[in-house]
Amino acid sequence: AQTVTQSQPEMSVQEAETVTLSCTYDTSESDYYLFWYKQPPSRQMILVIRQEAYKQQNATENRFSVNFQKAAKSFSLKISDSQLGDAAMYFCAYEGYYGGSQGNLIFGKGTKLSVKP
Amino acid sequence: SQTIHQWPATLVQPVGSPLSLECTVEGTSNPNLYWYRQAAGRGLQLLFYSVGIGQISSEVPQNLSASRPQDRQFILSSKKLLLSDSGFYLCAWSVTRASYEQYFGPGTRLTVT
Repeated sequence: AQTVTQSQPEMSVQEAETVTLSCTYDTSESDYYLFWYKQPPSRQMILVIRQEAYKQQNATENRFSVNFQKAAKSFSLKISDSQLGDAAMYFCAYEGYYGGSQGNLIFGKGTKLSVKP
Repeated sequence: SQTIHQWPATLVQPVGSPLSLECTVEGTSNPNLYWYRQAAGRGLQLLFYSVGIGQISSEVPQNLSASRPQDRQFILSSKKLLLSDSGFYLCAWSVTRASYEQYFGPGTRLTVT
């Protein structure tokens, strides 16, 4: 079974600085998708960024980028120029590409990010 | 544009009482629908998913059940709530079951007393 591990329960960053959130996963599949979701205090889950495992290029969305290391099964999220609105819980998630794994997002336990003004 | 609604937003129910949470999606047809539960201090756990009317798959055996009576309506139910059913319940939809973003609703906070 696939698992997703976020080893940092809490992180803190100064406004305008850069922070990296860690995520590792375990799978025997070769094709899959990885996601970072943000959950602000409103509790609404918002997709931050997604990565297809077959793509070597790391995904980027404005101030958010990932470092995807397939061999190491690592998928970290880097937030540049942190803003107060980035304060939230961040969840790493895995989705298999084939069969019963499709659509079944497997989430890590989350990292609570605080942004200091 | 597509929107997803959940109600109620909060609910306090005694142990042993029934439960019905509703999720509806607007602006799309034949979505894939999902129910997740988020317990305190933990990530999301997929409970049920549905690829069409009347088609429900369960991921976790438990006290809960789901139904999809209409294309864009997904209901989470229980005949008798347990204390362990407390949590934050999120409904989500996606275009397909593979690779596409899942769009989440605002959630329902359930407290079983």
